[in-house]
Amino acid sequence: AAGVIQSPRHLIKEKRETATLKCYPIPRHDTVYWYQQGPGQDPQFLISFYEKMQSDKGSIPDRFSAQQFSDYHSELNMSSLELGDSALYFCASSRGPSGYTFGSGTRLTVV
Amino acid sequence: GESVGLHLPTLSVQEGDNSIINCAYSNSASDYFIWYKQESGKGPQFIIDIRSNMDKRQGQRVTVLLNKTVKHLSLQIAATQPGDSAVYFCAEINNAGNMLTFGGGTRLMVKP
Repeated sequence: AAGVIQSPRHLIKEKRETATLKCYPIPRHDTVYWYQQGPGQDPQFLISFYEKMQSDKGSIPDRFSAQQFSDYHSELNMSSLELGDSALYFCASSRGPSGYTFGSGTRLTVV
Repeated sequence: GESVGLHLPTLSVQEGDNSIINCAYSNSASDYFIWYKQESGKGPQFIIDIRSNMDKRQGQRVTVLLNKTVKHLSLQIAATQPGDSAVYFCAEINNAGNMLTFGGGTRLMVKP
């Protein structure tokens, strides 16, 4: 069965650089979620999209933005990177309020 | 704000024993919960879910119990195996169904 695909799997950036993370949801899933997970922490909700419109917003810094495209894939754009942005970034998708499935994540390291 | 949380950060069990991982929630309006397993460096993996109109749901070697009176749910793993070693999170879906909130994870360590 198709799963949530995230790219890249690993990313190393320098401070103040920009990073773009991509997420391809499960086919026919209409909602995409982004989460940030620091070392030893639980995933923190960043933002979600339903049918290409922003649905809800969590603790997402102003330096971050995201969007969902017509093919339902989503991108998380992160600018002016800081050391504290180093984390695992997960994308999840669902069809309505069911089927929540997570991708394997992108490990971002800011040096 | 209202949140989902776990009681114990680490649980160590002997292989073959049963494991019980607990979770408390504070939003009495919560009506859908999911347990996830997360292995190191991997994404959370769905284990089992339960809705508020149920108090028990069973899967393969796993059982989730929901006590709405005290706002508590638990994950029971039967005959725990080394492959069960991971961090387990409970998660709550908000009423609108557009946000999943994780509670603090419990690390399960299985001793051979």
